[in-house]
Amino acid sequence: ILNVEQSPQSLHVQEGDSTNFTCSFPSSNFYALHWYRWETAKSPEALFVMTLNGDEKKKGRISATLNTKEGYSYLYIKGSQPEDSATYLCASGAGSYQLTFGKGTKLSVIP
Amino acid sequence: NAGVTQTPKFQVLKTGQSMTLQCAQDMNHEYMSWYRQDPGMGLRLIHYSVGAGITDQGEVPNGYNVSRSTTEDFPLRLLSAAPSQTSVYFCASSYGQAQYFGPGTRLLVL
Repeated sequence: ILNVEQSPQSLHVQEGDSTNFTCSFPSSNFYALHWYRWETAKSPEALFVMTLNGDEKKKGRISATLNTKEGYSYLYIKGSQPEDSATYLCASGAGSYQLTFGKGTKLSVIP
Repeated sequence: NAGVTQTPKFQVLKTGQSMTLQCAQDMNHEYMSWYRQDPGMGLRLIHYSVGAGITDQGEVPNGYNVSRSTTEDFPLRLLSAAPSQTSVYFCASSYGQAQYFGPGTRLLVL
């Protein structure tokens, strides 16, 4: 069982602010790092899957970076909007089907 | 495509009862997993399968059985329900990258 940690646990930002969260994971035997977005009353949806050290991925205003040597990933949201309010999960594991999830960062964007 | 479907959406059981949570996917994904989500605990892996006929235990397998007779279906069986199994259960499938999650089953064990 891996130890995947996310910080902060929750975050409140004003509309238009940019923000970022951290995911830390064991750097040994690394396979892949996943980010998911989880809106209330829905199911998690994949944002990014990253496998290579130095990977950077972007989807609209959301981007992520990966450092496998030191065991961390950052998720950035530029110009937060109320529709960005959700819990953001990261996960790592021996395979894409054997993931250990962090507890998530709950983002609230205040209009 | 319907994606990943789960039934039922909500179920109330009495302690000791058994039931099966159904999960099906129509994306021809080889990999399927079951998670439970509890407050403050995040998603925890119960069982997973890498293909028809192949299953293995995850982090919290006790009290649950699975089977994978077809690529499409991956049911989760509770043999004798306990209040500690009150949770929201998510099924997910994958082709090797991102996981696709079903809508979840909310289970209450009294």
